[in-house]
Amino acid sequence: AQKITQTQPGMFVQEKEAVTLDCTYDTSDQSYGLFWYKQPSSGEMIFLIYQGSYDEQNATEGRYSLNFQKARKSANLVISASQLGDSAMYFCAMREVAHNFNKFYFGSGTKLNVKP
Amino acid sequence: ETGVTQSPTHLIKTRGQQVTLRCSSQSGHNTVSWYQQALGQGPQFIFQYYREEENGRGNFPPRFSGLQFPNYSSELNVNALELDDSALYLCASSFLAGPGLIDTQYFGPGTRLTVL
Repeated sequence: AQKITQTQPGMFVQEKEAVTLDCTYDTSDQSYGLFWYKQPSSGEMIFLIYQGSYDEQNATEGRYSLNFQKARKSANLVISASQLGDSAMYFCAMREVAHNFNKFYFGSGTKLNVKP
Repeated sequence: ETGVTQSPTHLIKTRGQQVTLRCSSQSGHNTVSWYQQALGQGPQFIFQYYREEENGRGNFPPRFSGLQFPNYSSELNVNALELDDSALYLCASSFLAGPGLIDTQYFGPGTRLTVL
């Protein structure tokens, strides 16, 4: 089974509107971390937001928030007030720690296009 | 504060050759992870080094090997290059407070490897 599933290969959003990028994950670990990264066409991976599996409140970082639904194993990224500069690939990722040995998994990404 | 740097930015090799990629971690970080990102796909975790020892590994064959130095910089070595090794190789650094804990990774700009 896929560890991270992003079902939206591409999304369009109008500038200044909010958009939700979907992410579901699969793990049997109790302790894990969920991340979202942005990758512009330049190729560099930019950290956006982090949610720990034990965090009860949804993470927020400026215009980014993570809608964490543990029972459903989903960790959707919400971008409010979209800007043209938000056009990029967005990757959901998960960190597992089993026996102090780390594994990191990325999804296949969602390409977001912000329209003026 | 200096971010994560990688060298070289681009590299062309032929099948069967060996390659070494280099990464300098961000100031204050003690952990380095390496990823392979094929065109149009999400990054695939190769391995992580913490305190100069391998601390996690993905599904890559032994011809992918690494090193971490006392200053926390790192090398990725790939032997017997194959055409499918052509990809963007990303290095990420983080501060890991201890084994079994979660770290947030910050990525470098990547090295584009082409194998002919």
